[in-house]
Amino acid sequence: KQEVTQIPAALSVPEGENLVLNCSFTDSAIYNLQWFRQDPGKGLTSLLLIQSSQREQTSGRLNASLDKSSGRSTLYIAASQPGDSATYLCAVRRGTDKLIFGTGTRLQVFP
Amino acid sequence: NAGVTQTPKFRVLKTGQSMTLLCAQDMNHEYMYWYRQDPGMGLRLIHYSVGEGTTAKGEVPDGYNVSRLKKQNFLLGLESAAPSQTSVYFCASRRGSDSPLHFGNGTRLTVT
Repeated sequence: KQEVTQIPAALSVPEGENLVLNCSFTDSAIYNLQWFRQDPGKGLTSLLLIQSSQREQTSGRLNASLDKSSGRSTLYIAASQPGDSATYLCAVRRGTDKLIFGTGTRLQVFP
Repeated sequence: NAGVTQTPKFRVLKTGQSMTLLCAQDMNHEYMYWYRQDPGMGLRLIHYSVGEGTTAKGEVPDGYNVSRLKKQNFLLGLESAAPSQTSVYFCASRRGSDSPLHFGNGTRLTVT
């Protein structure tokens, strides 16, 4: 059974720091991996989608990498800002239709 | 550009009552999903659909039913609500199996 783990569960950093969020999965036979952010009381917003054949994806200050063989993905946030404060979730696609979500990392960036 | 719209946003039910949650997407997406999100449990898939007229069970389907009569709409029904169904429900959609998933803003349901 595929399990997805995100460590740490919570993270608090000062503004301006570069930071890395981690996502681990137990079954390397995935089709893709997606990173989301969730603001309190809101739905999930897609940040980056990495296909299984790709190693990384970049969008602005965000960079996500994928290492299928080790069952790991990282989300790198450069020059963090208070507006980055949210919960970040990763999800792996297993089979044709289903996504398995991690429980998220709650990030707080303080001024 | 509305994206994925869920109605209602909030609802309180008494045990045994029934209700239907509506999800509508205007992106012509084939795939639609219903998830529930509970503290410490993450997002769990209830039911999903890979196209108009199709439905399939997810991880936690018991106590729920769904219908996809029109491509743009995906309905989630609770026939006899139980306190264990108190949760935040999210609908999501995507164009194809390799496409990003788009979420609605959720429905907060309380069953007393």
